[in-house]
Amino acid sequence: GQQVQQSPASLVLQEGENAELQCNFSSTATQLQWFYQSPGGSLVSLLSNPSGTKHTGRLTSTTVTKERRSSLHISSSQTTDSGTYLCAIDDQGGRALIFGTGTTVSVSP
Amino acid sequence: GPKVLQIPSHQIIDMGQMVTLNCDPVSNHLYFYWYKQILGQQMEFLVNFYNGKVMEKSKLFKDQFSVERPDGSYFTLKIQPTALEDSAVYFCASSVAMYEQYFGPGTRLTVL
Repeated sequence: GQQVQQSPASLVLQEGENAELQCNFSSTATQLQWFYQSPGGSLVSLLSNPSGTKHTGRLTSTTVTKERRSSLHISSSQTTDSGTYLCAIDDQGGRALIFGTGTTVSVSP
Repeated sequence: GPKVLQIPSHQIIDMGQMVTLNCDPVSNHLYFYWYKQILGQQMEFLVNFYNGKVMEKSKLFKDQFSVERPDGSYFTLKIQPTALEDSAVYFCASSVAMYEQYFGPGTRLTVL
């Protein structure tokens, strides 16, 4: 089945710095979503990006499907960006999303 | 954006009892999902549901689990009987076909 690896496991930033989060997966994917999970546990979908490049606000995701990797770039980080970023990918064409273990980001003022 | 609601937000229950978790999906969505996240661990897929039927389920979806959406009302996850290892946050999600899944805020279930 699909395996999803995220790196780094954690990241510490000063406010204003940029960050690049990586997601690598083992099988071809037709769905790929990036999520933000707050320290309190709530989950927010940031971007759906199975291929190409997408932007929303300060976030940019680039997915290279044939290389089985996706990145999430956070520009000009803010303290409110602190939390865990999860990458999730479909399992061989099914609708189930397989989640990575996440990158925990901590942004200090 | 589209919102998925979950009721209740927290539930505490004694082991062996039945519990029903309720999900109000996005109104025009046709595919519904449950995921489980044990505290501090990875989010894991349980089941998805379409047109009144379970389409896919994982090995975590034990025989004690069932899902239904009677007459377009809440999409429910029932656990009967509950076990200690069922303590987790359960997230409901919905989607239109193969598109983006929208997640609810989760129900934190504690089994004593």
